[in-house]
Amino acid sequence: GQNIDQPTEMTATEGAIVQINCTYQTSGFNGLFWYQQHAGEAPTFLSYNVLDGLEEKGRFSSFLSRSKGYSYLLLKELQMKDSASYLCAVRGWNQGGKLIFGQGTELSVKP
Amino acid sequence: ETGVTQTPRHLVMGMTNKKSLKCEQHLGHNAMYWYKQSAKKPLELMFVYSLEERVENNSVPSRFSPECPNSSHLFLHLHTLQPEDSALYLCASSQDLWDRGRYHEKLFFGSGTQLSVL
Repeated sequence: GQNIDQPTEMTATEGAIVQINCTYQTSGFNGLFWYQQHAGEAPTFLSYNVLDGLEEKGRFSSFLSRSKGYSYLLLKELQMKDSASYLCAVRGWNQGGKLIFGQGTELSVKP
Repeated sequence: ETGVTQTPRHLVMGMTNKKSLKCEQHLGHNAMYWYKQSAKKPLELMFVYSLEERVENNSVPSRFSPECPNSSHLFLHLHTLQPEDSALYLCASSQDLWDRGRYHEKLFFGSGTQLSVL
């Protein structure tokens, strides 16, 4: 089976940097996704990692270590609008390519 | 706007009612999904339709019945639900691609239907 763990809640200050961790266990790995979900809205795609290393996209970066079953999402120059839930999802071959989601990390950005 | 539209946005129903959730995607994708999102719980995959054929049912109770008449439309028919079925129901779509095995591209989600069962 698959298991995905991420912190339930985090708080950070506007302008700061925050790192949201995600650890996973899967018997067949084929990619890790990060989604952002504002309250009452649809989850939206942020990043995709399938190889080890860092993927950078503007203020957001995502890192993957397949050997450690570990990923993080790094948010720089935090803005109030970054307050949202951040969902880590893993795609495994044994799930027929379906995404399995973690419970999400609720990030609150304070002034 | 993600290109995936869900109606209604909110639904309140009694346990003896029959209702349907509707999803429509305008992205030309060939796979559609229903997910359930309960408070403080992970998104739970309920059903997948790929190329209009249902390929997975994660032991979802029979009181939930999906229907996919074509690649752009997806329904979730609800019948005699329980209060614990109250949740946000999200529809998503993706382009189903093959590459040395089977996998799906990234999901595009609708805004969801917030369902309350009384």
